[in-house]
Amino acid sequence: DTEVTQTPKHLVMGMTNKKSLKCEQHMGHRAMYWYKQKAKKPPELMFVYSYEKLSINESVPSRFSPECPNSSLLNLHLHALQPEDSALYLCASSQGKGYFDGYTFGSGTRLTVV
Amino acid sequence: GNSVTQMEGPVTLSEEAFLTINCTYTATGYPSLFWYVQYPGEGLQLLLKATKADDKGSNKGFEATYRKETTSFHLEKGSVQVSDSAVYFCALSHNTGNQFYFGTGTSLTVIP
Repeated sequence: DTEVTQTPKHLVMGMTNKKSLKCEQHMGHRAMYWYKQKAKKPPELMFVYSYEKLSINESVPSRFSPECPNSSLLNLHLHALQPEDSALYLCASSQGKGYFDGYTFGSGTRLTVV
Repeated sequence: GNSVTQMEGPVTLSEEAFLTINCTYTATGYPSLFWYVQYPGEGLQLLLKATKADDKGSNKGFEATYRKETTSFHLEKGSVQVSDSAVYFCALSHNTGNQFYFGTGTSLTVIP
């Protein structure tokens, strides 16, 4: 299995809703990442988990809350989002720091906040 | 610090034309270099990579050579197809960090 699977593919939520994005990989990668991508822009790093511990938080607002329940799963809990949070959310994983093999990305969750 | 500078787009080519997308980087030491492709509505896919100077990465007819003397990693393809229409991102990974540095992306449209 050489994939990163993200669910759901599309999500529409109101500003008062609580929802979660899910990411799963079975490649034995011990580093996992959340990125946010706006249209026509490169991905922006949000969070890095290394061996299930949060190692980087790029000053992301607290309405985004990551969770890594085990080495294969990564969640992103969403609460009280703003319309400007609408974007493509990408999950990625890597063997080590990705220096030799790069990152493997999922197909993303297209989030629309209304 | 580490950074990647990528050719501005959008780029529009006719089918079977030659493609070059320029990418230069700034980094200390010995970074690894990557090209990722993003098709409409999808995530990023690794296209090719090179982990040391003079390495040539290749895949699906695309090539790029890691040139340390010019700090470049230009993407080339001899004959593009309509199916190559996508956004291409050059990226750098450094063995001292835990993140990628992406270029701004170059949108390619190939017309029949």
